[in-house]
Amino acid sequence: NAGVTQTPKFQVLKTGQSMTLQCAQDMNHEYMSWYRQDPGMGLRLIHYSVGAGITDQGEVPNGYNVSRSTTEDFPLRLLSAAPSQTSVYFCASSYSAGGFTDTQYFGPGTRLTVL
Amino acid sequence: DQQVKQNSPSLSVQEGRISILNCDYTNSMFDYFLWYKKYPAEGPTFLISISSIKDKNEDGRFTVFLNKSAKHLSLHIVPSQPGDSAVYFCAASAFRDDKIIFGKGTRLHILP
Repeated sequence: NAGVTQTPKFQVLKTGQSMTLQCAQDMNHEYMSWYRQDPGMGLRLIHYSVGAGITDQGEVPNGYNVSRSTTEDFPLRLLSAAPSQTSVYFCASSYSAGGFTDTQYFGPGTRLTVL
Repeated sequence: DQQVKQNSPSLSVQEGRISILNCDYTNSMFDYFLWYKKYPAEGPTFLISISSIKDKNEDGRFTVFLNKSAKHLSLHIVPSQPGDSAVYFCAASAFRDDKIIFGKGTRLHILP
């Protein structure tokens, strides 16, 4: 199993550009989520999904869109990048979530810089 | 409003001694708690968890203690080893809520 994969590893954007961060998992996990990590801010939840076709907002959803058309993939879209979105983005997946939460497996991250 | 707080940004501990990392939470609905470890340029990896029906969970050198009345948990690492130098995140979730909320992390330095 490859686990959770993220592409690209690094990306530089100009303000106003759009892009999609890719996330895929091959563990047949129902739950997937996106976090951003900023210095001094820890990991903050952006969006999450409890299964194909179901997504919901996390703590910091503004400026980001997600969709979940398959169990395996959970892309994160930046519609109009802003310097405040400069961060390291992590995708994670687990068999389920809520209650006695299953362990989340994290991808290696995408380091995004917005100029 | 921070629901999961790790008030110590960093901690230095001598190799072989005990490392104690602390975490406080404000949401009384949280009933499952996790610790993750993160090395630079890697994603976080799961370390240990505890549910609210327990007050202690042990896995090798790692023990997590939960004090529900104080809304406080701690991670003990005994003995501390050089490979334990990393950032440790505390996380929490509530039954019937699909969000998993993380703290800001504590950077642990194990000194030789």
